[in-house]
Amino acid sequence: DAKTTQPTSMDCAEGRAANLPCNHSTISGNEYVYWYRQIHSQGPQYIIHGLKNNETNEMASLIITEDRKSSTLILPHATLRDTAVYYCIVSSTGTASKLTFGTGTRLQVTL
Amino acid sequence: GAVVSQHPSRVICKSGTSVKIECRSLDFQATTMFWYRQFPKQSLMLMATSNEGSKATYEQGVEKDKFLINHASLTLSTLTVTSAHPEDSSFYICSASSNRLAGGQSWNEQFFGPGTRLTVL
Repeated sequence: DAKTTQPTSMDCAEGRAANLPCNHSTISGNEYVYWYRQIHSQGPQYIIHGLKNNETNEMASLIITEDRKSSTLILPHATLRDTAVYYCIVSSTGTASKLTFGTGTRLQVTL
Repeated sequence: GAVVSQHPSRVICKSGTSVKIECRSLDFQATTMFWYRQFPKQSLMLMATSNEGSKATYEQGVEKDKFLINHASLTLSTLTVTSAHPEDSSFYICSASSNRLAGGQSWNEQFFGPGTRLTVL
């Protein structure tokens, strides 16, 4: 699976948009970009995924560059409960496809 | 969304004993489950892929005789840490894979359990 690079940490004020970048320059054509987050001492939670088009769901938006070498996860109105480690992962979509977790970005949402 | 449970949530055991951790998919069937380990302030590391009705596939460096995985049904996988030692103390997390379909597209989504914190004294 392709490797991803994310900033170690970010801060965001509550109510503002949180934009979390991810570089995945070695992504291959059949690999999707997945985002998960892990709140302290809990299991990871799926947020969103995409192949090449921008995606939006009730939790977040995912912007993927045209060359697919990078993406940005957007939390439109961050709340304190969004404080977590956010993982950007590239993987194919089979049921046996493994997720390789990098170090992620620790997002701290502050008042 | 789909729910994955783990039991126990927390276990403390003496060195040399064996500990079994259960992972259940509560409202869907999972032919594939995954076991991860997470040490403090580190990321999740995949230990093995558990396949229903067949042997697990272990990642490089993970001892299959120490970490026994059984996936006897489509909703249950177990991880047994045999002869546990203090260095096995960690947060063990399982996930179950399910195919999702929406908007004419299908994709694989992994649903994670809440984790089991193992402390070996």
